[in-house]
Amino acid sequence: EVQLLESGGGLVQPGGSLRLSCAASGFTFSSCAMSWVRQAPGKGLEWVSSVGTDDDTYYADSVKGRFTISRANSRKTLYLQVNSLRAEDTALYYCAKNLPGRPFDFWGQGTLVTVSS
Amino acid sequence: EIVLTQSPGTLSLFPGERATLSCRTSQSVRSSIAWYQQKPGQAPRLLIFDASNRATGIPARFSGSGSGTDFTLTISSLEPEDFAVYYCHQRSNWPWTFGQGTKVEIK
Repeated sequence: EVQLLESGGGLVQPGGSLRLSCAASGFTFSSCAMSWVRQAPGKGLEWVSSVGTDDDTYYADSVKGRFTISRANSRKTLYLQVNSLRAEDTALYYCAKNLPGRPFDFWGQGTLVTVSS
Repeated sequence: EIVLTQSPGTLSLFPGERATLSCRTSQSVRSSIAWYQQKPGQAPRLLIFDASNRATGIPARFSGSGSGTDFTLTISSLEPEDFAVYYCHQRSNWPWTFGQGTKVEIK
C-alpha cells in the first residue's frame, strides 16, 4: 500500500524556519519525482516545489530563495526546508509523488504550517 | 507562468444530472492537463491525466476532453459522492500551476 506521511509542521513566528518531512512507503521511491503542494485555509492548491529522480529541483517564484527541497532515497524521505517564513506561507503542506512525465498520482494527508506572532 | 481559469466557480446540480466543468489555460499546454477531486478534509485524488485518460479505479462516468488551451471535465450522471471541489493542473511548463477550483454542490 502506498503511503506518504508528512510531519514537521507547527506554529512559527514570522521569519522563522521549519523542516518538513515526508516518509514514503509502498513504492519505489527512487523512481518517482516528488513534490510539495500547499493549500492555504479555505483556498485552492498551489504547487510549491518538485525534485526529480535526477535531483533536479524546481520552485514556485513565491518560495524561491527561501525554501529548499531535497530527497534521501536511502531513507525514502522527502524534505522541505522552509526559511524566512511569512504569514502568507500559512497552509497545509502536502507531499505528492509522480512518475517522471506523469501527474501526481498519490498525495499524503498534509502537515499544517501556521506563521503567526 | 501559465494561468488556469476554471468555470464556473460553483455548479449547483441534482444527483443524476450531468456536470460540465471548464478549464482554460493562458497558453497552450498541449494535452498536459490533469483533473483532481478534493473532498473536505481529504487530500486531492487524481481523476484524469493527459486531458482524457482516466486514472486507475476512476468510474467511467468521469471523462475529460480538450487540447491546447480549452479542457473539459464531464461527470455524466452525478452520484452523491461526486459533490466536491475539482481542480485542473498543468505540468507542461514550469512553474506547474493549478486552476482555482470548481465546487460541485448539491442543489
